[in-house]
Amino acid sequence: NAGVTQTPKFQVLKTGQSMTLQCAQDMNHNSMYWYRQDPGMGLRLIYYSASEGTTDKGEVPNGYNVSRLNKREFSLRLESAAPSQTSVYFCASSEARRGPDTQYFGPGTRLTVL
Amino acid sequence: AQKITQTQPGMFVQEKEAVTLDCTYDTSDPSYGLFWYKQPSSGEMIFLIYQGSYDQQNATEGRYSLNFQKARKSANLVISASQLGDSAMYFCAMRGNTGGFKTIFGAGTRLFVKA
Repeated sequence: NAGVTQTPKFQVLKTGQSMTLQCAQDMNHNSMYWYRQDPGMGLRLIYYSASEGTTDKGEVPNGYNVSRLNKREFSLRLESAAPSQTSVYFCASSEARRGPDTQYFGPGTRLTVL
Repeated sequence: AQKITQTQPGMFVQEKEAVTLDCTYDTSDPSYGLFWYKQPSSGEMIFLIYQGSYDQQNATEGRYSLNFQKARKSANLVISASQLGDSAMYFCAMRGNTGGFKTIFGAGTRLFVKA
């Protein structure tokens, strides 16, 4: 099992460019999440998908869109990148159940917007 | 609204000693879960321990234990017999059992273990 995979690992964009971050999980999990991590701010939830076919906004959704392509894949799109979106992006997945619903994280994508 | 607060930006501990990392939370959900994750310098997020709000006993996982005080809304992580490999960022997180399983994270505490 690969767990949660993310591509790319690193990306540099110019202001105004667009890109899609890809995430896939092979654990048959129902829920998937996108977070961003900025220094001193921990992880902040951008969007999540509680189950296939649904997506909801998290704490900081502005400037992003998501697609839950199927149960395995959850992509994050930046339509017009801004320097404020420079961050490390983590994708995570979980079974989505009450109790110890542990999230499993991908390795992260380090994005720099110039 | 849910909130997680970690008031210690950085902590030092001597190898083989115990250390407590603080976490306080706020939620209106009657049922919730509390998590701790470790993030080493390599960047991956590693799950350490879970505590449910209705669990009667404090959670333990090897050298990790969670000091859960519900009335004080605190969920401190205790690491016993610290090792050099414990040097990392530690995040406290909470998920309410309503609202689609969203999880919020604290800002983290960086732990340095000294030889």
